[in-house]
Amino acid sequence: GENVEQHPSTLSVQEGDSAVIKCTYSDSASNYFPWYKQELGKRPQLIIDIRSNVGEKKDQRIAVTLNKTAKHFSLHITETQPEDSAVYFCAALTVPRNKLVFGAGTILRVKS
Amino acid sequence: EAGVTQFPSHSVIEKGQTVTLRCDPISGHDNLYWYRRVMGKEIKFLLHFVKESKQDESGMPNNRFLAERTGGTYSTLKVQPAELEDSGVYFCASSPGASVEAFFGQGTRLTVV
Repeated sequence: GENVEQHPSTLSVQEGDSAVIKCTYSDSASNYFPWYKQELGKRPQLIIDIRSNVGEKKDQRIAVTLNKTAKHFSLHITETQPEDSAVYFCAALTVPRNKLVFGAGTILRVKS
Repeated sequence: EAGVTQFPSHSVIEKGQTVTLRCDPISGHDNLYWYRRVMGKEIKFLLHFVKESKQDESGMPNNRFLAERTGGTYSTLKVQPAELEDSGVYFCASSPGASVEAFFGQGTRLTVV
């Protein structure tokens, strides 16, 4: 079945710097890759997603890139702010079962 | 629009007892997922309903776990009898279809002592 690896497990950056989180997946049939942000004590919430027919997607300070050949995708956060501190999860949707498989999560700390 | 709601938010039970978790998905969402996160680890898939049918239950750890979704609306996840390793946060998520955003509930923190 699908396996999603996420790195790093923790990431500390200075406010204003960029943060990059990387994920690899095993099932080449996966076609949808969302990123979720979970703040302390809150539910995971979708922040950006990308489909397999697109190589890059941007939304203000966050962007996601997808390399289908290498089976990896990355989350990029620019100009980080303290409120970006949270746990970030990547996921891949397997087909045809439509099962969303998550990575282990990255704890991002933005130091002011 | 109401989001995905889960009940209870916290549950502390003794080993050997039974606990039932409930999830109310967003109205109209056919897809309902159960996930579990054990401390510091990944959000692990448990099972997936499409309406009232179990599409995929490959993540259910063992036969102590039973999930139902009567009438394709709310879902319950029963653990009987509970063991210490069942402790974790159980999340429910729902979506209207495949390849679209899955909305999460706030989770139920289960502690088995």
